[in-house]
Amino acid sequence: QLQLQESGSGLVKSSQTLSLTCAVSGGSISSGAYSWSWIRQPPGKGLEWIGYIYHSGSTHYNPSLKSRVTISVDRSKNQFSLNLSSVTAADTAVYYCARDYALNWFDPWGQGTLVTVSS
Amino acid sequence: QSALTQPASVSGSPGQSITISCTGTSNDVGSYNLVSWYQQHPGKAPKLIIYEGSKRPSGVSNRFSGSKSGNTASLTISGLQAEDEADYYCCSYAGSSTYVVFGGGTKLTVL
Repeated sequence: QLQLQESGSGLVKSSQTLSLTCAVSGGSISSGAYSWSWIRQPPGKGLEWIGYIYHSGSTHYNPSLKSRVTISVDRSKNQFSLNLSSVTAADTAVYYCARDYALNWFDPWGQGTLVTVSS
Repeated sequence: QSALTQPASVSGSPGQSITISCTGTSNDVGSYNLVSWYQQHPGKAPKLIIYEGSKRPSGVSNRFSGSKSGNTASLTISGLQAEDEADYYCCSYAGSSTYVVFGGGTKLTVL
C-alpha cells in the first residue's frame, strides 16, 4: 500500500524559504504512469495545487506561484521535495504531498504538515 | 476566490440524497472529463472519491456518484449516513497553462 509522509520545518520566518520533503513508501517514485504533487490548504480555507514533478525531473507549477516554487526529486531516496521562497503570512497552510495521475486525480495523499510563517 | 464554484454548505437527513454542484468554465470542467472529487474529514487529508467525472476508486461506496453537464459537475451522495458529514472539494484539469483548479469546498451536514 502506497504511503506518503511529509516532513520539514513547521515554522518559517517571513521572507525566508520553506522546505518540505515527501517520503514515498510501499512503491517506487519512478513508476512510469504517475507524477508527484504538492497541494496546500490555508487554515479554514480550500485547496490549492502548487506543482508537480515527474520521476524524470520534469516539472509544472501553478502559474500564481511559479516564480517562487522549486520541486525536485531524489529517486535514490524515493522522495521529492518542495522549496517555496520569499514566504509571507499568506503561505501559512497545511502542505500535502500526493501522487497524481497526469493531473487527472490525486491519490493517495500524505497526512499533511502545518507550516506557519512568522514575522 | 476559487476557480471552481461550489455551494458553501449543504445538508440532509440520514437516508436522503444530496447533490453538490461544481461550476467551472469552458476552459476546465466544460472541456475535459477530468473532474475529481475529494472528501475531507476535520483534521484529515482529503480522500479521492470520484475521478474522471464518474468513476469510483476501489473501496469507495457506490452511494457516491458523479456526473457532468456543460460547465457544471455534480457529486451525488445517496442514502446519507452520519459518517458522510465532511467537506467535499471538486477539482478539474484546466489545460496546459493553468493545469489544475479546485473548488472552494462544500460542508455537508447530516442532520
